Amino acid sequence: ILNVEQSPQSLHVQEGDSTNFTCSFPSSNFYALHWYRWETAKSPEALFVMTLNGDEKKKGRISATLNTKEGYSYLYIKGSQPEDSATYLCAFLNQAGTALIFGKGTTLSVSS
Amino acid sequence: DADVTQTPRNRITKTGKRIMLECSQTKGHDRMYWYRQDPGLGLQLIYYSFDVKDINKGEISDGYSVSRQAQAKFSLSLESAIPNQTALYFCATSDPRTSTGELFFGEGSRLTVL
Repeated sequence: ILNVEQSPQSLHVQEGDSTNFTCSFPSSNFYALHWYRWETAKSPEALFVMTLNGDEKKKGRISATLNTKEGYSYLYIKGSQPEDSATYLCAFLNQAGTALIFGKGTTLSVSS
Repeated sequence: DADVTQTPRNRITKTGKRIMLECSQTKGHDRMYWYRQDPGLGLQLIYYSFDVKDINKGEISDGYSVSRQAQAKFSLSLESAIPNQTALYFCATSDPRTSTGELFFGEGSRLTVL
């Protein structure tokens, strides 16, 4: 059974704070690691898809890094804004390439 | 209009009833998935299909069945609903021709089983 762990489960920050969360996944048979952003009452939307060890991707104030050898990825948000409040999901795809297995998510709340 | 459409969006039913959740997509993707979301548990894969008539079990397929009769449609059935199947259900698609394999989600179907 593939296990994808995310931490923390939830966190609350003030507007302007920078924050980061962790996703850990099996380091063997790695194929891809996805990050999704899920706002309340909306559908999850893809933020990043990462495939290479050492990969770093950035979209505005949000960035992500990947370490496939040790099986973890970090998501960073610089200068958090209230509109960043959402649940951030990571998902792992192994080389069998069947289907994504999701972690339980990190729920971020940003106060103004 | 949404590219991935789920119906119904909300449904309340009673234990023992048969329920079908429908998903249709206009993205032309071959791959379709059904996920279930429970509070604190993230998204759990129920079934997935890589092509018409192709059906594969996911992590939590017991108590569910699916049908993929056309590329654009993937339906999820609960033959005899039970209260612990109360959850938010998401349909998703992906395109195997892209290197990213990202999922495109529908808006979700909230099911309550009394």
